[in-house]
Amino acid sequence: DAGVIQSPRHEVTEMGQEVTLRCKPISGHDYLFWYRQTMMRGLELLIYFNNNVPIDDSGMPEDRFSAKMPNASFSTLKIQPSEPRDSAVYFCARPQWGDNSNQPQHFGDGTRLSIL
Amino acid sequence: AQKITQTQPGMFVQEKEAVTLDCTYDTSDPSYGLFWYKQPSSGEMIFLIYQGSYDQQNATEGRYSLNFQKARKSANLVISASQLGDSAMYFCAMRERTGNQFYFGTGTSLTVIP
Repeated sequence: DAGVIQSPRHEVTEMGQEVTLRCKPISGHDYLFWYRQTMMRGLELLIYFNNNVPIDDSGMPEDRFSAKMPNASFSTLKIQPSEPRDSAVYFCARPQWGDNSNQPQHFGDGTRLSIL
Repeated sequence: AQKITQTQPGMFVQEKEAVTLDCTYDTSDPSYGLFWYKQPSSGEMIFLIYQGSYDQQNATEGRYSLNFQKARKSANLVISASQLGDSAMYFCAMRERTGNQFYFGTGTSLTVIP
């Protein structure tokens, strides 16, 4: 969906490599969320931003994970070094209809990451 | 404690029949929102329906309705006249007013049988 664009759609890489996932939300929304989905753990919130500032990163698994939002229309999630257990689908999301109040999340199509 | 509980890992329904997917939630916040999402095999997350904690009436969106029982803290999704395209994972979610985090259940896999 054009509301949130994620790239790449699929990423396959070897363990130990650095992985960078990208998210481009339509600017003008204050909040941005990163999620990870696995069969074992379901959908987990990793981190979210408000006005480009990380508000809650308690869901970030460990120091190998980092996220940035340099401006309102771009965010990255980086894994360095990557491990096979990081294999998952990573979603970026923003409030669907505007500033975050009680709005549903609008998800990007996700990045399917496979670490070999 | 789990914020959102979906107790049905998998459900089957005959085409054209109605099906109810269960969801219970746990919160002490008097103001919250409840959401249902559909995730087809292609992987995207599709928002279906929303219910606010202060809404007096159950939410409806086309063939989707939400059976909201506040005292029981349940927010079951009812899909009427099931179609083959309804086969997917369905996730219940909640957002409390006091935070910005969405809490998701583990999902229910729905299969519509022709």
